[in-house]
Amino acid sequence: GQSLEQPSEVTAVEGAIVQINCTYQTSGFYGLSWYQQHDGGAPTFLSYNALDGLEETGRFSSFLSRSDSYGYLLLQELQMKDSASYFCAATYTGFQKLVFGTGTRLLVSP
Amino acid sequence: GAVVSQHPSRVICKSGTSVKIECRSLDFQATTMFWYRQFPKKSLMLMATSNEGSKATYEQGVEKDKFLINHASLTLSTLTVTSAHPEDSSFYICSARGQGANYNEQFFGPGTRLTVL
Repeated sequence: GQSLEQPSEVTAVEGAIVQINCTYQTSGFYGLSWYQQHDGGAPTFLSYNALDGLEETGRFSSFLSRSDSYGYLLLQELQMKDSASYFCAATYTGFQKLVFGTGTRLLVSP
Repeated sequence: GAVVSQHPSRVICKSGTSVKIECRSLDFQATTMFWYRQFPKKSLMLMATSNEGSKATYEQGVEKDKFLINHASLTLSTLTVTSAHPEDSSFYICSARGQGANYNEQFFGPGTRLTVL
């Protein structure tokens, strides 16, 4: 089946850089998205990769390696407000939906 | 940006009653809407996909007679939890995709927290 694995929790301090990894099932894979969700809130779109390489959007960057079935979200200059859950989500050819990863809870401390 | 609303944001009901949750795209036409369920500290699990004017497609294991989905217009989809039971208590989130958009381009509503007593 289609499953995406992420670390359950990551901790870091303000100002630091953190990387959240995501591994996915290869068969039919089309592209990888990243979402942020604060407790009780809506997921908000952060980034999308369909091709190998790095996509940079401000403090957030996302990377994809199709040969390794792996991607990551890189958060720089961490702020307290970045404490949230982060989900990778994949689209697969022939499936008209997003498949969400297990999610990573990021805790940023002072 | 595209805005999706949900109503109500929070609902408490008695076991055995039915609850309707509305999902609206406020500034765009949503040809496809998705309904997700999320347990505390867990991921989003897709329940069903609905395209305007056609029957919803349910994910494996989701009871379509229990979770009724209607997508009667390009801006409104509803999820009705019929004969709700405590195990149906969860956070329900909808998302919407505009015409011609990729399936990764979904805009999410703020969610509805359902508590069944």
